[in-house]
Amino acid sequence: KAGVTQTPRYLIKTRGQQVTLSCSPISGHRSVSWYQQTPGQGLQFLFEYFSETQRNKGNFPGRFSGRQFSNSRSEMNVSTLELGDSALYLCASSLGAGRGNEQFFGPGTRLTVL
Amino acid sequence: GQNIDQPTEMTATEGAIVQINCTYQTSGFNGLFWYQQHAGEAPTFLSYNVLDGLEEKGRFSSFLSRSKGYSYLLLKELQMKDSASYLCAVRDNYGQNFVFGPGTRLSVLP
Repeated sequence: KAGVTQTPRYLIKTRGQQVTLSCSPISGHRSVSWYQQTPGQGLQFLFEYFSETQRNKGNFPGRFSGRQFSNSRSEMNVSTLELGDSALYLCASSLGAGRGNEQFFGPGTRLTVL
Repeated sequence: GQNIDQPTEMTATEGAIVQINCTYQTSGFNGLFWYQQHAGEAPTFLSYNVLDGLEEKGRFSSFLSRSKGYSYLLLKELQMKDSASYLCAVRDNYGQNFVFGPGTRLSVLP
């Protein structure tokens, strides 16, 4: 069974630009969550999607948005990039949303904002 | 507010036992997770506790006390490959947000 895949793996952008990251969950998984990981802040929850609906959202500004498609693939978008957005963005999938459903992480997309 | 604390770094010797503690204060509780993350890699799931007590899985065990807002991860028969960061995470608000601790970087020495 293929794992969670994320594209691209590395990305370099400049301030003010916008970026779209993609995540394909494990086949059969309907929940996709996004996280931002930085050395200073650790792993922070961005949002969670289940059956094309955003179920939960972390404390991030509106510049961070996402969506999920009918095949459970998900994208997240960051507009008007800032230097502080440089981070590893991780996607995780699980069978269902909430409670004890184990999350499987993808390899991440490393975004550098110059 | 949401707060999860873990020691920043720990060092142990190959073959020994190490306990990594995690304390949490969150609005609501619906489970505590432990993840292992090697440098440059994505986190991998280790364990899940929702009821008080000990969950054992091979060399790894995880304990939870909801009344104390406390958990620990116990690693036995340490191996060099166990050198990694260990992340404690809590599901709060009846399964809503997922809050991660800062992680504990464990170094296993020969």
